[in-house]
Amino acid sequence: GDSVTQMEGPVTLSEEAFLTINCTYTATGYPSLFWYVQYPGEGLQLLLKATKADDKGSNKGFEATYRKETTSFHLEKGSVQVSDSAVYFCALGGSARQLTFGSGTQLTVLP
Amino acid sequence: SAVISQKPSRDICQRGTSLTIQCQVDSQVTMMFWYRQQPGQSLTLIATANQGSEATYESGFVIDKFPISRPNLTFSTLTVSNMSPEDSSIYLCSVPRGQGTNTGELFFGEGSRLTVL
Repeated sequence: GDSVTQMEGPVTLSEEAFLTINCTYTATGYPSLFWYVQYPGEGLQLLLKATKADDKGSNKGFEATYRKETTSFHLEKGSVQVSDSAVYFCALGGSARQLTFGSGTQLTVLP
Repeated sequence: SAVISQKPSRDICQRGTSLTIQCQVDSQVTMMFWYRQQPGQSLTLIATANQGSEATYESGFVIDKFPISRPNLTFSTLTVSNMSPEDSSIYLCSVPRGQGTNTGELFFGEGSRLTVL
């Protein structure tokens, strides 16, 4: 079945550092790929998505590119802020019932 | 965007008891989903709550353990029955982002954190 493997956390960075959170997947077919974020005390929110190979999703300075050849969807941000501290989930699927989540990566950004 | 409210936000329960979690959405939606997030693990879909019909349960989840109600298009409840410590989790309600769509784009509630002693 489909699966998502995420970089284990927690990840601690200083403000303005470069962020990469690795995500690789195993899937049949060509699912859509997502990054969700959960800020402290809040529900999960969709951060960005990509629906086909070589698509780049971007939002709030975060980017991720759908790489079919490496089955990856790594999340990057050039300069993190304290407000980016959250748990980040990689997910894949074509519908809500087919959505598979990674285990989440806790990010803490220090001032 | 949809605003999803869940109650309770957290609770501590005794083994063998049952707890009902409520999910209220500020707009009418066809599908509502219930997820479980066990400590240190990813989210797992429990069931899809359908208005006017029985919920659709995923493999490993049964109606006797997780009965679901969906009385209208804005409200659903999930009951965790005969709880054991293994049921300690965060339970999340979610709805599709687009009206009439069924993709991986979801809105989530804040979750209900249950601890079973």
